[in-house]
Amino acid sequence: DTAVSQTPKYLVTQMGNDKSIKCEQNLGHDTMYWYKQDSKKFLKIMFSYNNKELIINETVPNRFSPKSPDKAHLNLHINSLELGDSAVYFCASSQNSPMDEQYFGPGTRLTVT
Amino acid sequence: AQSVTQLGSHVSVSEGALVLLRCNYSSSVPPYLFWYVQYPNQGLQLLLKYTSAATLVKGINGFEAEFKKSETSFHLTKPSAHMSDAAEYFCAVKEGGYQKVTFGTGTKLQVIP
Repeated sequence: DTAVSQTPKYLVTQMGNDKSIKCEQNLGHDTMYWYKQDSKKFLKIMFSYNNKELIINETVPNRFSPKSPDKAHLNLHINSLELGDSAVYFCASSQNSPMDEQYFGPGTRLTVT
Repeated sequence: AQSVTQLGSHVSVSEGALVLLRCNYSSSVPPYLFWYVQYPNQGLQLLLKYTSAATLVKGINGFEAEFKKSETSFHLTKPSAHMSDAAEYFCAVKEGGYQKVTFGTGTKLQVIP
């Protein structure tokens, strides 16, 4: 009974392609996030949605577009993939209260060749 | 603006020895502080969190952390390291009323048998 799930777990693709990563949470949380973790394990927030509304949009190339069809789902679409996009992408969710922790998915390892 | 500094990207301890992972924060308002652990090829999971209820916080797997406002620190400790503690540890800060979480750069803990 996975709390935050992501698909696919691995994604290998060539430069210039377009790909999507899906995320679903069954915790009833209102807020969902996308993070990028690079090879040095540095975690960078990309986007956050609260009840389907975009609330955090960090400096991320326009090639990245999040979409939240409902509050349990947050997808990430990436256009024109570049070598530098290779990383592990994590989805997370949390309650609205600032004292509440985030629950992370297992990650999607994206490799662009 | 909030920020987190983790001193030491790599820490090695012997099995049974004290674990001390350092975290200093910067925040313009009283913060909420978190420690997360990431095992290889997994997402992050919460170890413990400080929400102003008590300055000494106990978490899972025998870890604890003490919030020291005067030192702006939230160091993570465990009296006796176990081989299973080998992982990457992240300190994180969240300012009240704000959903953005800022993560430190992580500390990789190695436990030597």
